[in-house]
Amino acid sequence: TQLLEQSPQFLSIQEGENLTVYCNSSSVFSSLQWYRQEPGEGPVLLVTVVTGGEVKKLKRLTFQFGDARKDSSLHITAAQPGDTGLYLCAGANQAGTALIFGKGTTLSVSS
Amino acid sequence: EAGVAQSPRYKIIEKRQSVAFWCNPISGHATLYWYQQILGQGPKLLIQFQNNGVVDDSQLPKDRFSAERLKGVDSTLKIQPAKLEDSAVYLCASSFNWDRQYEQYFGPGTRLTVT
Repeated sequence: TQLLEQSPQFLSIQEGENLTVYCNSSSVFSSLQWYRQEPGEGPVLLVTVVTGGEVKKLKRLTFQFGDARKDSSLHITAAQPGDTGLYLCAGANQAGTALIFGKGTTLSVSS
Repeated sequence: EAGVAQSPRYKIIEKRQSVAFWCNPISGHATLYWYQQILGQGPKLLIQFQNNGVVDDSQLPKDRFSAERLKGVDSTLKIQPAKLEDSAVYLCASSFNWDRQYEQYFGPGTRLTVT
C-alpha cells in the first residue's frame, strides 16, 4: 500500500521565521505534488516535482524531491500570515490514474 | 476560465437520510474525481470518471454511495443512507485527461454534517 506521511502535523510560527515540512514514503513515486488548502476551499496545486534531486522555487517556497523519489520537502523562507493553510503532498497511485494524499501539515503564521 | 463548481456548499442531515452533491468540472476536462476529506486528513479518492465511464471506484462504499456522470460532463454523488462517519468535506476535481492526474483542479467542496 502506498502511503505518504507528512510531518510535522501542526506548525505554529511567527511572521519572518523559516520552516520546513516533510513528505515521506517507503514507495517510489514518479512525481510528487504539493498543494495548499485554505479553510472552506479546495486544494490548489503549488508545484509538481518529477526528477530525483529536483529543486523548484516558487517565490519564498522551495520544493525538493529526494534522490530516490521517495520523499520531498517544502521550505518556506520568512513566512508571512498569508502562508497560513494546510499543506498537502500527493503522489500518483500505482495505476498512475489518481492521486494519493498525505494527511497534511497545518501551518499557522501569526504577525 | 470558470473553475470547478460544486453545490451545495454545506449540508446538514440526520443519519439514515439521503443526500446528493453536484459537480460541474472545468469545460473540456475529460476526467472527474470525487474525494472525501475527513477533518484532519488528506483527501481520499472515492471514484474517478473518464468521460462517462468509471475508471476507479475501488474505495467507494458501494452499499451506500453511488455516483454518475451520465453525459460525461457534470456529476452527482449520492449517499443513502448516511452514517455519522460520513461527516466530511466532499471535493470534486477535474483534469484534462486521465494521464494529467497531477494537474487536478479542485472545487470548493461540500461540507456534510451527519447528526
